[in-house]
Amino acid sequence: DSGVTQTPKHLITATGQRVTLRCSPRSGDLSVYWYQQSLDQGLQFLIQYYNGEERAKGNILERFSAQQFPDLHSELNLSSLELGDSALYFCASSVEPLAGTTDTQYFGPGTRLTVL
Amino acid sequence: AQKVTQAQTEISVVEKEDVTLDCVYETRDTTYYLFWYKQPPSGELVFLIRRNSFDEQNEISGRYSWNFQKSTSSFNFTITASQVVDSAVYFCALSGNYGQNFVFGPGTRLSVLP
Repeated sequence: DSGVTQTPKHLITATGQRVTLRCSPRSGDLSVYWYQQSLDQGLQFLIQYYNGEERAKGNILERFSAQQFPDLHSELNLSSLELGDSALYFCASSVEPLAGTTDTQYFGPGTRLTVL
Repeated sequence: AQKVTQAQTEISVVEKEDVTLDCVYETRDTTYYLFWYKQPPSGELVFLIRRNSFDEQNEISGRYSWNFQKSTSSFNFTITASQVVDSAVYFCALSGNYGQNFVFGPGTRLSVLP
């Protein structure tokens, strides 16, 4: 158990809908990262937060948004869902922002999103 | 644009063999970071190592070792005396100095046969 929790584990929804994925980092970790893994696109970095502030942005669509709350948990909001958004969404956390430190990154089990 | 190439799509070895997974990257940044991740059949992602562009020392962690060569833009990963539990997809990744432009390679699927 990495200590990073993600809810829900599975999510099935329809095109056009909006969903929220939640991530709780390990106790003491200030950085949260979101990744998407799909058959078409492979693994992609979406976004990174550090202590509530956005730190780095990757291939995150405009229909997607994220935030990190004062208690350090993070939510990834996906709206106007399309079939191609079906993927495994991973969250990870680390104490520091990873690049520039010797810190380790810990991953949650992922949320599998299926858009029908 | 940053790019990571893992030319080996799939590799099969017999237990106890040594195996090297290749990673070649492209970047115009002078400061960057390289990563390796493991995804076993159970599906979770596991962080293995991060290396910055100014540290070309090889790293060894148990049976795992990493060879970073800026001259060839490569960051190869070697597993010594492979075990069945090493069977997984391994991803190499690259980011800029502050985590920007983070890209993954397509992954190499390693099968270690008993």
